[in-house]
Amino acid sequence: QQQVKQSPQSLIVQKGGIPIINCAYENTAFDYFPWYQQFPGKGPALLIAIRPDVSEKKEGRFTISFNKSAKQFSLHIMDSQPGDSATYFCAASMAGAQKLVFGQGTRLTINP
Amino acid sequence: DTEVTQTPKHLVMGMTNKKSLKCEQHMGHRAMYWYKQKAKKPPELMFVYSYEKLSINESVPSRFSPECPNSSLLNLHLHALQPEDSALYLCASSQGVAPDFRETQYFGPGTRLLVL
Repeated sequence: QQQVKQSPQSLIVQKGGIPIINCAYENTAFDYFPWYQQFPGKGPALLIAIRPDVSEKKEGRFTISFNKSAKQFSLHIMDSQPGDSATYFCAASMAGAQKLVFGQGTRLTINP
Repeated sequence: DTEVTQTPKHLVMGMTNKKSLKCEQHMGHRAMYWYKQKAKKPPELMFVYSYEKLSINESVPSRFSPECPNSSLLNLHLHALQPEDSALYLCASSQGVAPDFRETQYFGPGTRLLVL
């Protein structure tokens, strides 16, 4: 119940395409869903986060879509660039838990 | 400034050595975290300090010993490690406003540890 399932494990997209990464959770107590981007040799960096009272959130080229009834959320990257090539982790948290539950990660490659 | 710094960047140690990892933040955050990350895996939480007190220990072996000397510093003392402990060790911090810890966690670049 504490798991967050992320797919796909890896994804290759041509420049300008729209990669989509999906996550699903079981625990309805989760109410905060961040996405982290990690480049090789670096720590994860927060990309965008959403709470379940909204169905979509955009920040620049990054969009989170959230489906509360299906307990799923996804990351879309518009006009993807080679510089977006990184590993992306979804995560979930709940009030008072003091911890993030991470998905297994998606290694994204954007080809020029 | 949203920077978390970690030293050293790389560390090689033998199984009988004692070493320490250091983490520092100057964002006024009151929650600090240690994570372990193996290749191609997500970060795994090890410890959480909240207001300089250890609030979570995720059943980490005693050969890892955390310390929070003050609100800006976090150490991880290493002793008698095993080769399987080789990993990227990440420090993170967040505002830590109890009881809501759902704030952004800011990660440092990590220390890449190799145990021989």
